[in-house]
Amino acid sequence: GQSLEQPSEVTAVEGAIVQINCTYQTSGFYGLSWYQQHDGGAPTFLSYNALDGLEETGRFSSFLSRSDSYGYLLLQELQMKDSASYFCAVRSQGGKLIFGQGTELSVKP
Amino acid sequence: EADIYQTPRYLVIGTGKKITLECSQTMGHDKMYWYQQDPGMELHLIHYSYGVNSTEKGDLSSESTVSRIRTEHFPLTLESARPSHTSQYLCASRLDGDYGYTFGSGTRLTVV
Repeated sequence: GQSLEQPSEVTAVEGAIVQINCTYQTSGFYGLSWYQQHDGGAPTFLSYNALDGLEETGRFSSFLSRSDSYGYLLLQELQMKDSASYFCAVRSQGGKLIFGQGTELSVKP
Repeated sequence: EADIYQTPRYLVIGTGKKITLECSQTMGHDKMYWYQQDPGMELHLIHYSYGVNSTEKGDLSSESTVSRIRTEHFPLTLESARPSHTSQYLCASRLDGDYGYTFGSGTRLTVV
């Protein structure tokens, strides 16, 4: 079967750093993506890791360890607007995405 | 701003009706996808297309059908809507070689 596990919710304060973990078990792995979704609207692409290591894009970083079937999204200098759902997604054969259940991030003042 | 459009944004329809959800993109992307998402849950792939006249069923069994007659247009049709079809339907596209999907704002369907 195919499964992705991530925490259902995380709470942090403005200015803090938060890490959202994702473990996966899929038949076929080509990379791990992260998406942000506000209030059930259009998911927005954040990052993609095909190889092990850390990718940094502004305040957001994403990490992948293929040997551990594990990745995480790191959000720094949290802002209120970062309150949203964050989904990890495995890129499988043919470029199809398999999504996790999402982590709801609440940023408090 | 995303150049992928879905209509209608919201739809309430009676059981047994036939409906078509529209999805169009102006980016010239060859690959397009339909996902179904219940509130607070993950996205499930129901259909995808790698180009004109190419359509495939996704991982989640669906009673819907799709067509891809033009590159920019990927409509989804439910021949006979049922309350179990109540959900949000998200359309996405990407260019071959790109890793990120561009999503539309979705259609929130309620079947009563």
